Amino acid sequence: GIQVEQSPPDLILQEGANSTLRCNFSDSVNNLQWFHQNPWGQLINLFYIPSGTKQNGRLSATTVATERYSLLYISSSQTTDSGVYFCAVERRRDDKIIFGKGTRLHILP
Amino acid sequence: DAGVTQSPTHLIKTRGQQVTLRCSPKSGHDTVSWYQQALGQGPQFIFQYYEEEERQRGNFPDRFSGHQFPNYSSELNVNALLLGDSALYLCASGPRGNYGYTFGSGTRLTVV
Repeated sequence: GIQVEQSPPDLILQEGANSTLRCNFSDSVNNLQWFHQNPWGQLINLFYIPSGTKQNGRLSATTVATERYSLLYISSSQTTDSGVYFCAVERRRDDKIIFGKGTRLHILP
Repeated sequence: DAGVTQSPTHLIKTRGQQVTLRCSPKSGHDTVSWYQQALGQGPQFIFQYYEEEERQRGNFPDRFSGHQFPNYSSELNVNALLLGDSALYLCASGPRGNYGYTFGSGTRLTVV
């Protein structure tokens, strides 16, 4: 089945730093979403981005579907950005959504 | 506009018991999917419902079953609970087509 790999698995940064999270996938997909899971377990949809680039405040994302990867950029990190960031893809052949293992981000004050 | 709502938020059950979790999708959404998330792992797809039928299923045993009602709400049932079923169970809803999914806050199930 499709493989979804996220890197790095863990990231520790000082408040104010910038970061780039990567998601590689091994097969054709219908769409891709980035989520932030807060400490209470809530998955917050950040971007629905099957291709191209989107920006929302300090966050932006780029998906290059032909090369099977997506990047999530976080600028001027804040402590509230801490949590786990998941990439999820909907595989083309059967519409199933597959999650990566996530990147755990710690922003230090 | 209410998002995806799940109930209960927390649940403790004994091995061998049965449990029912509930999900109300976001307004305008007709597709509901269920996920199991073990501690420290990404969510794993259980199954998806559309038009009151199970459309897709992940690698979960038949102890896991579900239902979708005419108002698009859904239930997840787990029979003969095992300790390994302890997890956060997430419900996601979406409109038919490629518009992305919205997740509920989850039900944290503990099996003792």
